[in-house]
Amino acid sequence: EPEVTQTPSHQVTQMGQEVILRCVPISNHLYFYWYRQILGQKVEFLVSFYNNEISEKSEIFDDQFSVERPDGSNFTLKIRSTKLEDSAMYFCASRFTGSMNTEAFFGQGTRLTVV
Amino acid sequence: AQTVTQSQPEMSVQEAETVTLSCTYDTSENNYYLFWYKQPPSRQMILVIRQEAYKQQNATENRFSVNFQKAAKSFSLKISDSQLGDTAMYFCAFMKPLGGSQGNLIFGKGTKLSVKP
Repeated sequence: EPEVTQTPSHQVTQMGQEVILRCVPISNHLYFYWYRQILGQKVEFLVSFYNNEISEKSEIFDDQFSVERPDGSNFTLKIRSTKLEDSAMYFCASRFTGSMNTEAFFGQGTRLTVV
Repeated sequence: AQTVTQSQPEMSVQEAETVTLSCTYDTSENNYYLFWYKQPPSRQMILVIRQEAYKQQNATENRFSVNFQKAAKSFSLKISDSQLGDTAMYFCAFMKPLGGSQGNLIFGKGTKLSVKP
């Protein structure tokens, strides 16, 4: 069964460093998303990406964040100059286009720890 | 703006019993989708069940069913014959149709369900 894969599963980084979280969405999906879950809190939408550009972003997604689809398979989230409060679980999701195909498939997440 | 509220932070149920998780939401939209996602300790979010707002019939997936009350903006999840593997965090989520947004999900805070042997 096709699945969304994320790497690494856990990343530890020093405050101020840049990190890149990687995702491989399901191959025929066209909508891509990043969500964040701070420990013990709800899952929060960060950004959606379609047709090689950001289609929607939340207020959390400020200038320190960026997304990219560098090739036909990967979808990355870059966090510049990480802060302690960026520590969270980051989930990538993808969805096939079309109004009837509304299910989002999630990856297993990357746990980011900023120290 | 849409909001999703889950008023039960934690619940427990005996194995083989039935449990109902509550969810309410607020929206001015008439057409939308609602979901329940399960997040077991492995952390991966798994879709449990979904409901289209234009459908009056409540969705059912094996032991999982919903009670969708559109006028009351209520979307509860019933788990019958609870199993130990149902122990997880359960999130209720709202989505506008893709034509009205880019399909992002708005989640509630979740309900931690423990199934006890």
